[in-house]
Amino acid sequence: GAGVSQSPRYKVAKRGQDVALRCDPISGHVSLFWYQQALGQGPEFLTYFQNEAQLDKSGLPSDRFFAERPEGSVSTLKIQRTQQEDSAVYLCASSPGQGAINEQFFGPGTRLTVL
Amino acid sequence: GQQLNQSPQSMFIQEGEDVSMNCTSSSIFNTWLWYKQEPGEGPVLLIALYKAGELTSNGRLTAQFGITRKDSFLNISASIPSDVGIYFCAGRNPPASGTYKYIFGTGTRLKVLA
Repeated sequence: GAGVSQSPRYKVAKRGQDVALRCDPISGHVSLFWYQQALGQGPEFLTYFQNEAQLDKSGLPSDRFFAERPEGSVSTLKIQRTQQEDSAVYLCASSPGQGAINEQFFGPGTRLTVL
Repeated sequence: GQQLNQSPQSMFIQEGEDVSMNCTSSSIFNTWLWYKQEPGEGPVLLIALYKAGELTSNGRLTAQFGITRKDSFLNISASIPSDVGIYFCAGRNPPASGTYKYIFGTGTRLKVLA
């Protein structure tokens, strides 16, 4: 497809389990962002990649959160030892630019529920 | 985390009415974006603003970049039922701060009554 895709769309995890969320950005897009969106809130920045380099991870809430983009395309957000407060929709966005980053195109998100 | 203040939080309007919403920040931004999000989907970009005072239209939507650079406004004219959704503003700090991240607003939930 032409847009950003994310998988799985829904994930239910038991507290303490590890999860991995995948993002396939638009082909050729240099920039990739991960956001966390809690119920009834706006998206909150987690981390940013320019190609394979993670330039900003200031939004990751704890060291249980880890993101990678090893070949500058597909990205994975991993959450270790999930907690109930990790329940949210995780959105991925990509952008064609690097220096002048403006328009971000979002995927549909992965809804994570931690029981 | 930091979120921008959006007003109103929600609104019910009659089809055909005009809608206004705004977004305020405590810090200066050099870019403002307005998104619409529908249930189960990611936000979709509506309008992008790059310059203080800029007024930009996209069909029935018009957005303005406030001259103080700390606020932005979105207007929807002659609303229709498919305008239903959550509207988010997002602002980005000047590049000199070294950040590429956008700060999003809390959202305005719009419901249109036919």
